[in-house]
Amino acid sequence: KQEVTQIPAALSVPEGENLVLNCSFTDSAIYNLQWFRQDPGKGLTSLLLIQSSQREQTSGRLNASLDKSSGRSTLYIAASQPGDSATYLCAPHGQNFVFGPGTRLSVLP
Amino acid sequence: SQTIHQWPATLVQPVGSPLSLECTVEGTSNPNLYWYRQAAGRGLQLLFYSVGIGQISSEVPQNLSASRPQDRQFILSSKKLLLSDSGFYLCAWKGLANTGELFFGEGSRLTVL
Repeated sequence: KQEVTQIPAALSVPEGENLVLNCSFTDSAIYNLQWFRQDPGKGLTSLLLIQSSQREQTSGRLNASLDKSSGRSTLYIAASQPGDSATYLCAPHGQNFVFGPGTRLSVLP
Repeated sequence: SQTIHQWPATLVQPVGSPLSLECTVEGTSNPNLYWYRQAAGRGLQLLFYSVGIGQISSEVPQNLSASRPQDRQFILSSKKLLLSDSGFYLCAWKGLANTGELFFGEGSRLTVL
């Protein structure tokens, strides 16, 4: 059974900092891994999808890497902004998507 | 482009009352459809998924049921709500390919009193 952990659980940083959010999963038999953001009281917004054959994927200030063999993915946020404040969830996709508990990010102006 | 709609957005129901949450997807055919629940302070829990009309797989035994009467319609129901059914319910869809991306609706917040 896939188990997903995310570190740190919460993070508070001043605006402009570069950030690293970590995701670990126990079962490396996955098709892909997806990163989402969730604003309070809202649904999940897809940020990046990394296929199992890829090592990384980039979208704007976001870069996600995947090391399937070691069961790890990292989301890198460059030059953080207050609008980046949200909860970030990773979800490796094997038989189904399994979600981590999330990292709650606060970027202070 | 594809869109996903959920309603109602907010619902307050007494214990023992029935429930019906609806989800529809536009702009795609034969999607895989999912119902997730997010309870306060907890992660997303997969409740049901469907790969086609009338095909429902249940991940967690519970007080809820799901139906897929049409290709792009997914309904979550209960005959008698429990207090523990309170939570944020999210519908999601994905294309048929195993490598496909998962997209979520805006969610339905259910409070059972």
